[in-house]
Amino acid sequence: AQSVTQPDIHITVSEGASLELRCNYSYGATPYLFWYVQSPGQGLQLLLKYFSGDTLVQGIKGFEAEFKRSQSSFNLRKPSVHWSDAAEYFCAVATYSSASKIIFGSGTRLSIRP
Amino acid sequence: EAQVTQNPRYLITVTGKKLTVTCSQNMNHEYMSWYRQDPGLGLRQIYYSMNVEVTDKGDVPEGYKVSRKEKRNFPLILESPSPNQTSLYFCASSFNREELFFGSGTQLSVL
Repeated sequence: AQSVTQPDIHITVSEGASLELRCNYSYGATPYLFWYVQSPGQGLQLLLKYFSGDTLVQGIKGFEAEFKRSQSSFNLRKPSVHWSDAAEYFCAVATYSSASKIIFGSGTRLSIRP
Repeated sequence: EAQVTQNPRYLITVTGKKLTVTCSQNMNHEYMSWYRQDPGLGLRQIYYSMNVEVTDKGDVPEGYKVSRKEKRNFPLILESPSPNQTSLYFCASSFNREELFFGSGTQLSVL
């Protein structure tokens, strides 16, 4: 069965520092992978997605993620974080079989130190 | 404005009192889904619908019902709520299941 693991529950980084949020997945076939962001009191918004092709994908708000099949990972990165990036981040994996399931990780809460 | 609208945003109820959380989208999406969000567990899918009159169970369907009589609406029904259904609920819709559009959430407390 497919699953998603986000090993970091909470991360704090200084404003202007670089960021990497980890995501590992378990899925037999080529996965469809996503990163969503949830600002306080809001629903989730898609940051970026990977379906095939170039393993480095660019998203909104200056985020990027790299798909590494050998490591079953899809880590999210940003070179320089802003205070407005404080939010909860969810990695997700999907299968587009008849079940049409999208499985979310447990999330990583990002805090920004001034 | 394209959006998914959930109502209510906050709901406090008592055990056993039937309730409905409404969800409506104005993007003509065929796919709609309900999730619950609990601390440390992320989002878990309750039910989803591929189109009108087509619904199926997600990972945690027990205690919930849904219906899809119109394309735009996908209400979540709790016939006899229990305290373990206290949670933050999200409705989402999608055109091609490549991107989910989420509502703002419904915080439900069952006493």
